[in-house]
Amino acid sequence: NIMMTQSPSSLAVSAGEKVTMSCKSSQSVLYSSNQKNYLAWYQQKPGQSPKLLIYWASTRESGVPDRFTGSGSGTDFTLTISSVQAEDLAVYYCHQYLSSRTFGGGTKLEIK
Amino acid sequence: EVMLVESGGGLVKPGGSLKLSCAASGFTFSSYTMSWVRQTPEKRLEWVATISSGGGNTYYPDSVKGRFTISRDNAKNNLYLQMSSLRSEDTALYYCARYSQFITTAKGFDYWGQGTTLTVSS
Repeated sequence: NIMMTQSPSSLAVSAGEKVTMSCKSSQSVLYSSNQKNYLAWYQQKPGQSPKLLIYWASTRESGVPDRFTGSGSGTDFTLTISSVQAEDLAVYYCHQYLSSRTFGGGTKLEIK
Repeated sequence: EVMLVESGGGLVKPGGSLKLSCAASGFTFSSYTMSWVRQTPEKRLEWVATISSGGGNTYYPDSVKGRFTISRDNAKNNLYLQMSSLRSEDTALYYCARYSQFITTAKGFDYWGQGTTLTVSS
């Protein structure tokens, strides 16, 4: 099974600051048939279900603000929020869907 | 609007059984692979089961294989999860999630329901 490791487990920033969080997979999640990384990011706000933000490591889901950017390839991935808003308070999970389905442990984003 | 509404959760004793349901609407249910994903009390997300669009192929992690059975009724737009030999570690919020029509266009789980809670305790 592919294991997913996220860091940090939590972080606190002020509104307007830039945030970067990491996700590492134990094996490559690159799908050879289409050369896409089968890596997604989800946002889960308090009391809500997870919401898809990014898929194929860097493609923003429809309606997701452009302050959210995914990057990386192979085994190392990053989610960046360019200017954090109060509404971004949430836990962010990465997820590989190349082989079976596994999730990272999440990064909890708090707003100072 | 895509909607997934889970039901059937509850309190079950260890070793017991329960069947969850998910009513889908707002999309062509029979065209999509569907899954169940659970969230533990520690907030960890765990994939539980997947079923192909036609229902002919099912997939499970080792943790539930042989105990859980995913099924679907495309005529009724319903997804199911039959759970047996339940353990305390199965306690979680169970989500129904839409996966994809095709592997080459898969985005992950693009829609999730609100979840239904299973508690396994004596």
